[in-house]
Amino acid sequence: DTEVTQTPKHLVMGMTNKKSLKCEQHMGHRAMYWYKQKAKKPPELMFVYSYEKLSINESVPSRFSPECPNSSLLNLHLHALQPEDSALYLCASSRLGLQNQPQHFGDGTRLSIL
Amino acid sequence: KNEVEQSPQNLTAQEGEFITINCSYSVGISALHWLQQHPGGGIVSLFMLSSGKKKHGRLIATINIQEKHSSLHITASHPRDSAVYICAVRKETSGSRLTFGEGTQLTVNP
Repeated sequence: DTEVTQTPKHLVMGMTNKKSLKCEQHMGHRAMYWYKQKAKKPPELMFVYSYEKLSINESVPSRFSPECPNSSLLNLHLHALQPEDSALYLCASSRLGLQNQPQHFGDGTRLSIL
Repeated sequence: KNEVEQSPQNLTAQEGEFITINCSYSVGISALHWLQQHPGGGIVSLFMLSSGKKKHGRLIATINIQEKHSSLHITASHPRDSAVYICAVRKETSGSRLTFGEGTQLTVNP
């Protein structure tokens, strides 16, 4: 079991659909991350939230829209995605304020774009 | 050239064998992480190192800061250790970002 919970585990959507991925943690972590991972490749950082504010956007296309409504929740809103966006989307969280804190990862959402 | 290089890319072992996975990096770091990813996708953080050696059960991780090198050892390997092992570094200049190696696919046969 992971302390970072991601839903749904699998998602199939068409290119015109709007859907959201959800991530939740109750460890009191104030940094939360979205990663995209293609098969047989390492994760690629997409966004970082620190104290519920977007601190890093790695030039992600606007069809991906993150949201951090509170310190426990992180959403990724999806709209008009392309087939190449099919991937595993991983959420992670970590403590802030102390140097070198490990990131805790969720099990991911496997996204397929038709 | 990647800033974090892992070797080998693929490793097959028999149950009970001692396994070593290597990670070399070319940048200044504040910490190095070893992560495990099973086929289902979830990633587990095994170790975070900034110096020396850490041990947890059958897993041992070492780091040599001067040589910019880390190793992950698995003693008495078991089929359930089959997974992708990823080395990731936190660069001194990159805040909370991790820079990942390409991963090592480990298969342990019974």
